[in-house]
Amino acid sequence: GQQLNQSPQSMFIQEGEDVSMNCTSSSIFNTWLWYKQDPGEGPVLLIALYKAGELTSNGRLTAQFGITRKDSFLNISASIPSDVGIYFCAGQRVIQGAQKLVFGQGTRLTINP
Amino acid sequence: NAGVTQTPKFQVLKTGQSMTLQCAQDMNHNSMYWYRQDPGMGLRLIYYSASEGTTDKGEVPNGYNVSRLNKREFSLRLESAAPSQTSVYFCACTWGALYEQYFGPGTRLTVT
Repeated sequence: GQQLNQSPQSMFIQEGEDVSMNCTSSSIFNTWLWYKQDPGEGPVLLIALYKAGELTSNGRLTAQFGITRKDSFLNISASIPSDVGIYFCAGQRVIQGAQKLVFGQGTRLTINP
Repeated sequence: NAGVTQTPKFQVLKTGQSMTLQCAQDMNHNSMYWYRQDPGMGLRLIYYSASEGTTDKGEVPNGYNVSRLNKREFSLRLESAAPSQTSVYFCACTWGALYEQYFGPGTRLTVT
């Protein structure tokens, strides 16, 4: 089945550094979503993007919906220890009235203090 | 207000055994979903229920069955567990097609 191509798969950074990750797809999505998953928990929505070209911020997080509707990126500025976790992108479609999400493989973020 | 709850949190099965994973939500959401998460992969949709009384297959339905018991509860059944079903299973719900999905904490299943 289809999955999105998310990169990088893992990142090891120093506290205070900026982080960038992206997601690409061979097909178009109406909505792009970015989730964060902490150990032992389910994913939690960080940012939702609804229009091609849209740039949205949520605190230190900034995400953009690509013009072609086939890609998105997420930036985290001035990383802090609580940013550690796995970040997933997801493309959303509505098919016959039902919401369908397709997830990327995830980016595991590790921060060295 | 617990949100989405899943039971059990952990389970070990032998090949061929059966079990049911339970999911309940107190958010009055219409749609509910079951995903599996394997190492190095994102979540993949197993089955979903767009509304009470309906269920549909997702991307990886083979080996599973579901029941939407009522608006609150959506269970996932493994009739004859296989090692390939070792995974972490997540339940999610949403009010409607254009709204955020909320995820439960997951059930970690190992099949030996």
